[in-house]
Amino acid sequence: GQQVMQIPQYQHVQEGEDFTTYCNSSTTLSNIQWYKQRPGGHPVFLIQLVKSGEVKKQKRLTFQFGEAKKNSSLHITATQTTDVGTYFCAGQVGNMLTFGGGTRLMVKP
Amino acid sequence: DAGVIQSPRHEVTEMGQEVTLRCKPISGHDYLFWYRQTMMRGLELLIYFNNNVPIDDSGMPEDRFSAKMPNASFSTLKIQPSEPRDSAVYFCASRLLTGGSAFFGQGTRLTVV
Repeated sequence: GQQVMQIPQYQHVQEGEDFTTYCNSSTTLSNIQWYKQRPGGHPVFLIQLVKSGEVKKQKRLTFQFGEAKKNSSLHITATQTTDVGTYFCAGQVGNMLTFGGGTRLMVKP
Repeated sequence: DAGVIQSPRHEVTEMGQEVTLRCKPISGHDYLFWYRQTMMRGLELLIYFNNNVPIDDSGMPEDRFSAKMPNASFSTLKIQPSEPRDSAVYFCASRLLTGGSAFFGQGTRLTVV
């Protein structure tokens, strides 16, 4: 079945440093979604990418969808303590949405 | 819409007891998902329903786990008998058939002692 892998599992950064999480699918995706889960909270939808090579930005967050529509990345510029949480990608094939394992981001002030 | 509503938010129970978790999806959503989240195993899909019909329950860990969706606005996840290793946060999520994002409930934190 479809698998979605995310790396790294954990990342400690100093406040102000950049952060990137990567997502890889075993199959070509129709779209990819990104979610953020704050500590003690629930996953909340951030964005969806649909087109091959698509790049979207939300303030300090940059999302990319690979040309082959099998991988994606989330980059945060100049992290802040409010960025702390677990970031999940979720790849859609047909009607099935498969979540990656998540990357837990910890930011040292 | 109030979003996906789960109850209870917290549940502490003794080993061997029956536990029932409840979920009300967003009105009009076609899919309902039950996930379990632990530090060790991350976010695991247990089962999902399409139009109240269970489609894939391959993630349900054991026969002690069962899920039902008697109508479009309500689902339950039952654990009988519960064990300490069932301790986790259980999330319910719903989404539309046509795609788009999954909306998660706030989760039920289950502790089995």
